[in-house]
Amino acid sequence: DIVMTQSPATLSVSPGESATVSCRASRNIHIYLAWYQLKPGQAPRLLIHDASTRVTGIPPRFSGSGSGTEFTLTISSLQSEDFAVYCCQQYKEWPPTFGQGTKVDVK
Amino acid sequence: QVQLQESGPGLVKPSETLSLTCTVSGASMTNNYWSWIRKPPGKGLEWIGYIHSSGTTDYNPSLRGRVSTSLDSSRNQFSLTLISVTAADTAVYFCGKGSPRVEFWGQGALVTVSS
Repeated sequence: DIVMTQSPATLSVSPGESATVSCRASRNIHIYLAWYQLKPGQAPRLLIHDASTRVTGIPPRFSGSGSGTEFTLTISSLQSEDFAVYCCQQYKEWPPTFGQGTKVDVK
Repeated sequence: QVQLQESGPGLVKPSETLSLTCTVSGASMTNNYWSWIRKPPGKGLEWIGYIHSSGTTDYNPSLRGRVSTSLDSSRNQFSLTLISVTAADTAVYFCGKGSPRVEFWGQGALVTVSS
């Protein structure tokens, strides 16, 4: 299986600042990468697919970039509702696999 | 607005069968993929498998032989069955619309495997 490695495990950010989450694939996945937002007790939310395509309704402060094995999710000007866990997923090969998640919390 | 809701027993005994149902509202079951994903405590998300409205299924090789899914369009529901469970199957189980990208998710249901 393709292993997805995220860093850092936890990111402490002040409201209004930017946050950058990294995701590395163990082999080339081209742009077959999605980002999800997870909050306790809530349904996870798909933010970005195909590495950089924002889902309809997701605010433009969320952006994704990268291809091959290195990917980045950037959240600019963090709002209170953005403090959550972010998880990447590759869907280049079966089975789809996920990173361990990055918790973005309040500094 | 698409909504999904998992339901089923929260406690299953080792060696027994885990069964969960996902009820869908706001979307047609037809021409869609329906997925199951789980998150064991302290670990990342793990893909379980999917069922397409045509009946096509595929599962994570790590679970093949123990897992199956079914779909009941008349009830707007799809289901997960996992046999011979162990403590390692303790997790929050999510259902979702879409595969392999999951566009919409349920809130998740905690299933604990314990005697």
